[in-house]
Parts: sequence; structure tokens; C-alpha cells
Amino acid sequence: KAGVTQTPRYLIKTRGQQVTLSCSPISGHRSVSWYQQTPGQGLQFLFEYFSETQRNKGNFPGRFSGRQFSNSRSEMNVSTLELGDSALYLCASSLARTPTYNEQFFGPGTRLTVL
Amino acid sequence: KNQVEQSPQSLIILEGKNCTLQCNYTVSPFSNLRWYKQDTGRGPVSLTIMTFSENTKSNGRYTATLDADTKQSSLHITASQLSDSASYICVVSARDRTSYDKVIFGPGTSLSVIP
Repeated sequence: KAGVTQTPRYLIKTRGQQVTLSCSPISGHRSVSWYQQTPGQGLQFLFEYFSETQRNKGNFPGRFSGRQFSNSRSEMNVSTLELGDSALYLCASSLARTPTYNEQFFGPGTRLTVL
Repeated sequence: KNQVEQSPQSLIILEGKNCTLQCNYTVSPFSNLRWYKQDTGRGPVSLTIMTFSENTKSNGRYTATLDADTKQSSLHITASQLSDSASYICVVSARDRTSYDKVIFGPGTSLSVIP
């Protein structure tokens, strides 16, 4: 069974640009969550999607958005990039919504560098 | 304020020795607590998940404990191996009034196992 895949694995952008990251969950998983990881702030929760609807949201500005498609694949978009957005963006999938007692499986992440 | 603290920040132990990592939280109302292992350059891998009513959970050589009264958790690693070298992250979820969980990550403990 294939794991969670994220594309691209590495990305370099400049300030002011926008970026779209993609996540394909494990087959059969309907919940996808996104996280940002930086050396200074550690891991922080961005948002969770379940059945194409945003079910939970972390404390990030509106520049960060996402969506989920009918096949459970998810995309995350960051507009007007800032230097502080440089981070590892992780996607995780689970069978059901993460507030339930479900294990999450993480992808390898997308390393975004903003110059 | 919902917060998760971990200690020690880093730890070096000899292969074959045991060690215990600590997690203290001020998260309310408590929903569940997870321990993750994150190897360098990879996404986190779930080790254990515990709800309020569980005080011990094992996964091979990893044993997590939870004291919901004192809001403390520990992760005990038995007979450490070189492959245990990683960052160990404690994650606590708080269930708010909308029934959505707020996910709060600890800063992690960096464990190095040396021969």
C-alpha cells in the first residue's frame, strides 16, 4: 500500500510569489491535515480537510489556504510569500477525522525556501 | 494558554541503555496525547495515542504513560538502538466547544544513541 505522497519535494520561490503544494493520501483515507515545521516554531497545525470540507483550522493568516478534492487529494496554497514562510510543509492522512482516535500517517514533506 | 513542554531538549545515551522523555502540558479540555518519532529529513511517525482514560500504552520498546491529573506524560525507551536516534515530539489535542480539536505540538526532544 503506497504511503502519503507530497509534491514537489523541494521548492524555491521569491517573496511575493504564491505557491501550491500537493498531497495524495493513503488509498481509502479521507482526512488530510497540513502542518508547518520550522526550526524556531517547531510543528504547527495548519488545517484539516475531510470529505472536501475544512474541518479544523490552526492559527495562520488567510494567506494560507487549502482544498480537498473528491478523490481526497489535497492542495495547500500560500499567497504573497514571506521569508518566514520558509519551512517544511507536512501532510498527514488518516481514515477518519483526526479528532477521533485515529492514527495519522505523514508524508515526507515539501521543503519550501523563500528568497 | 494551551502549551506543551518537553524535557530534556536533547539527550545522548549509549546503545542498549534505557531512557525516559518527559512531556508536560497545560491543555484544556484534554482530548488525546500522541507521541511521534521524527527521523531527520522525514515526516513524523506515530508511536502511541492515549485518551484521558488510558495511563499506559506500549509499542514495542516504546512505552508511554499519561497522568491526566498532573498533566504529565513520559515516553520510556527500553534497550535503545542506534535507529532510535531521532526527534521525539509530544502532541496534545484540546477539544473546544465546537468539538474541533486544537492541536498543540511540543518542541521535541532530540535523542542521540551512540555505540
